Amino acid sequence: NAGVTQTPKFQVLKTGQSMTLQCAQDMNHNSMYWYRQDPGMGLRLIYYSASEGTTDKGEVPNGYNVSRLNKREFSLRLESAAPSQTSVYFCASSDTYGYTFGSGTRLTVV
Amino acid sequence: ILNVEQSPQSLHVQEGDSTNFTCSFPSSNFYALHWYRWETAKSPEALFVMTLNGDEKKKGRISATLNTKEGYSYLYIKGSQPEDSATYLCAPSPWSNYQLIWGAGTKLIIKP
Repeated sequence: NAGVTQTPKFQVLKTGQSMTLQCAQDMNHNSMYWYRQDPGMGLRLIYYSASEGTTDKGEVPNGYNVSRLNKREFSLRLESAAPSQTSVYFCASSDTYGYTFGSGTRLTVV
Repeated sequence: ILNVEQSPQSLHVQEGDSTNFTCSFPSSNFYALHWYRWETAKSPEALFVMTLNGDEKKKGRISATLNTKEGYSYLYIKGSQPEDSATYLCAPSPWSNYQLIWGAGTKLIIKP
């Protein structure tokens, strides 16, 4: 099925641990995004990639890094996880018609 | 940067009743307005994309209108059903980069 595949779906980390969230899309979209969603806050953009080879900071980039590995894949890395990074993370890709979202990763940092 | 406001924040509606809610955005530098439906524990799904002033879109019992001159869009749901319970997000995009700027959403709860 065409769409955005995001892994893992759930993750529990200890403070200071690192991890990478993976995202891949098979719709040939140029643009890809990482968002976090916290209760009462809506979607907040962490990083985005307008095209292969480019990445830019969004609204809340601190504590995160990204890699646009190729046109399909856009990963999000937490180098040293903090409790404030407990959230639900969504990857998305877009064309001019709109965004397609992955199913989300629920991350808990203890 | 666009400032997007959605009202109300939440809404309880009796099953069978019709309802509507609002998305407000600055009318300058406007390219398109998207509406998404976001069910709990799922990811947002696209409902409509509108670009022209006066645009109206309809999908089943859900419809939307757009006024780009005054900077607002309405989403209407006719004869609400329990499956309509979700958060409805609006997201305008500016000419400058076409990225969506997300509102905080209107959480709709349908009471049986």
